[in-house]
Amino acid sequence: GIQVEQSPPDLILQEGANSTLRCNFSDSVNNLQWFHQNPWGQLINLFYIPSGTKQNGRLSATTVATERYSLLYISSSQTTDSGVYFCAAETSGSRLTFGEGTQLTVNP
Amino acid sequence: GAGVSQSPSNKVTEKGKDVELRCDPISGHTALYWYRQSLGQGLEFLIYFQGNSAPDKSGLPSDRFSAERTGGSVSTLTIQRTQQEDSAVYLCASSLGAGLGEVHFGNGTRLTVT
Repeated sequence: GIQVEQSPPDLILQEGANSTLRCNFSDSVNNLQWFHQNPWGQLINLFYIPSGTKQNGRLSATTVATERYSLLYISSSQTTDSGVYFCAAETSGSRLTFGEGTQLTVNP
Repeated sequence: GAGVSQSPSNKVTEKGKDVELRCDPISGHTALYWYRQSLGQGLEFLIYFQGNSAPDKSGLPSDRFSAERTGGSVSTLTIQRTQQEDSAVYLCASSLGAGLGEVHFGNGTRLTVT
């Protein structure tokens, strides 16, 4: 099955800093999604982005499907951005596979 | 409801008992996923239903685990003869279909086996 790798595994920022999280996947995908798991355990869908670029407020994501990677940008980080960020990928006919996540801590 | 609903939110059971966990997906969503997450760990795939196709059961850890999806809607995950290592948060998610649109998660069922 498809392999999904995320980097870095851990990231500590000061409030106001910018960051880039990376997701590499091993096969062509028809589905690539980013999620945020908050400290209470809720998983929130951030982006459905099998290709191209999307923006939502301070967050944006870019997937370069031909090169098999996706990037999540967080600008002007806030303490509420803390948590674990997961990417997940799906190939045709297979199920959604998650990476191991990036643990983000934003300090005030 | 507007989101994926899971029940119960918490379940404490004794080792050896059977448990049933329920998931109500978003109306109209044909794809339904079960994952579990142990404390501080990533998401472990369990089972995937897509429409009328045979479910992908490749993630079920043992034959004590089974799942059904009745009428293409509600799903039940059953764990028989629970063991302490089954303790985890069990998460259900749904989407419009394979590769179609956003996947949305419920709040999970926290299972504790004593």
